[in-house]
Amino acid sequence: EPEVTQTPSHQVTQMGQEVILRCVPISNHLYFYWYRQILGQKVEFLVSFYNNEISEKSEIFDDQFSVERPDGSNFTLKIRSTKLEDSAMYFCASRATDTTNEKLFFGSGTQLSVL
Amino acid sequence: KNQVEQSPQSLIILEGKNCTLQCNYTVSPFSNLRWYKQDTGRGPVSLTIMTFSENTKSNGRYTATLDADTKQSSLHITASQLSDSASYICVVSGYSSASKIIFGSGTRLSIRP
Repeated sequence: EPEVTQTPSHQVTQMGQEVILRCVPISNHLYFYWYRQILGQKVEFLVSFYNNEISEKSEIFDDQFSVERPDGSNFTLKIRSTKLEDSAMYFCASRATDTTNEKLFFGSGTQLSVL
Repeated sequence: KNQVEQSPQSLIILEGKNCTLQCNYTVSPFSNLRWYKQDTGRGPVSLTIMTFSENTKSNGRYTATLDADTKQSSLHITASQLSDSASYICVVSGYSSASKIIFGSGTRLSIRP
């Protein structure tokens, strides 16, 4: 089965530093998403992206966050000035269409630890 | 408020035994319900999807049920294997985009030899 790949698998950073989380969605997919999961909590929606722009974002996705598709394959999440509460597992996901029955394919996640 | 509640929070069973996980939701309007398996440190993987008109769906040893009237779903695992140890997450989608996909907290299932 095709896979969404994420790098790095683990990222440790100091509070206030910028981090970039990278994702390579499945090649024929057009809709891209970032989710996060704080340890012991539910998976939460951050942002959806289509046609090189943000389609939708949650309250969590404030001005410290940004997303980009710098080339034809990568999809990145940048956190400009990390806070302790940004520590979480960040999942990238993609799917071919945005219909609700279309399966979301998740990457393995990047575990971000902010010290 | 759109919510998805799962029970139990955690479950330990012996290898070879069956188990049933529960999911109650209040998401409206309802489009579909998925059960995901999430191995530790990995992303969720879809097991089944059920729409409003479907009552039962199977995927190997996994059988999901849906009662759209009572807004309840269950995931039954038959003849459990050690590799079934994971978190099982119930996810409900409304008629909208990704922000309206509501995740449950999951049931942490541990299979003991």
